Amino acid sequence: DAKTTQPNSMESNEEEPVHLPCNHSTISGTDYIHWYRQLPSQGPEYVIHGLTSNVNNRMASLAIAEDRKSSTLILHRATLRDAAVYYCIPHPGPGGSEKLVFGKGTKLTVNP
Amino acid sequence: SAVISQKPSRDICQRGTSLTIQCQVDSQVTMMFWYRQQPGQSLTLIATANQGSEATYESGFVIDKFPISRPNLTFSTLTVSNMSPEDSSIYLCSVAPWRLAGITTDTQYFGPGTRLTVL
Repeated sequence: DAKTTQPNSMESNEEEPVHLPCNHSTISGTDYIHWYRQLPSQGPEYVIHGLTSNVNNRMASLAIAEDRKSSTLILHRATLRDAAVYYCIPHPGPGGSEKLVFGKGTKLTVNP
Repeated sequence: SAVISQKPSRDICQRGTSLTIQCQVDSQVTMMFWYRQQPGQSLTLIATANQGSEATYESGFVIDKFPISRPNLTFSTLTVSNMSPEDSSIYLCSVAPWRLAGITTDTQYFGPGTRLTVL
């Protein structure tokens, strides 16, 4: 399993953009980069994933470095509800092992 | 998406006893997983619950301690046996429905978790 490195914690102010980095230098060429988040007292929820190109959805954007050794999850306007632990997870996707291997993640605090 | 419920949502148990946790999904799924989240820690995969065959356990987890059943495509149970205070954790089930016909997502969906305290 590819190893990931994320900051233990980050802080943001409400309504401001947040950039959550993740290093995954040992990622295989076919692994997708998945992001999940875990709100307080809840199970993790899917945020976004991508392979090579940058991706956008209603929750966030994912910027993937050209060499795929790092990625950044972007929350364009943080809200109090975005306070959570964010996990970056390399994953083989359809056809590979379905299990997710969670690292320590980044705890995001959003200040009002 | 998939809606997942777990029972019980929380429990306080005495050491030496066993607790069975249920996971119910609102649609048929191929893959179901059980995770443990110890206090202040990240999630650790316990096992993959396979329908119609024995569960596949991760390193450090054994069937005698965490027996799993998967009688059909919408339901699974995890039993925590002969509990000790070290078993106090949140136990979560998740599903990966993507292999079913018509499902193209490769995301996983998680239940709300069962918070277990062992005294």
